[in-house]
Amino acid sequence: IAGITQAPTSQILAAGRRMTLRCTQDMRHNAMYWYRQDLGLGLRLIHYSNTAGTTGKGEVPDGYSVSRANTDDFPLTLASAVPSQTSVYFCASSDSGLAGGNEQFFGPGTRLTVL
Amino acid sequence: GQNIDQPTEMTATEGAIVQINCTYQTSGFNGLFWYQQHAGEAPTFLSYNVLDGLEEKGRFSSFLSRSKGYSYLLLKELQMKDSASYLCAVMDSNYQLIWGAGTKLIIKP
Repeated sequence: IAGITQAPTSQILAAGRRMTLRCTQDMRHNAMYWYRQDLGLGLRLIHYSNTAGTTGKGEVPDGYSVSRANTDDFPLTLASAVPSQTSVYFCASSDSGLAGGNEQFFGPGTRLTVL
Repeated sequence: GQNIDQPTEMTATEGAIVQINCTYQTSGFNGLFWYQQHAGEAPTFLSYNVLDGLEEKGRFSSFLSRSKGYSYLLLKELQMKDSASYLCAVMDSNYQLIWGAGTKLIIKP
């Protein structure tokens, strides 16, 4: 693995189903993030984690949950998917979440469609 | 509220120069980032400004004026591969990135 990987690449999901998007990084970065990207809107932060064992809510956290059991993995769970959660989801990481100047590295994204 | 504004779309000619502007209003300021995003791909880091002035990196330069809440990305000697969206993002007082919607740059031969 080099950088950040996400799985699945794409998924079509029935409304009401539970879904977990996976994210793994091998850069030993302390901070990890989940964003959604919708047409005409900027990336919006869903949840973040500044270090293993801690998580925080971003701008649009409702309907999503995360966990950070270790440094490398940061899964995002949709407990009961709704059509408004149709989006492209990006996972990102940075060396530190509490310092300026740390660029974020992005995974390839997961394209999720909820019907 | 927090707001990042940048033009939706710009068109330029191969070999020319283009300037993409970004204005911002945020809760605190810990630097401004520019990212490039090709269609269907992830954003990739281009530049970071935290002090006023111009940062040059090859064909790309980024300028910041904190007093005006303004930045621009300057791309010189445009190539067809520069066709992409350019995202402006500001790190706020909580060290979270606030993103603009992006500027789609179309390069014509």
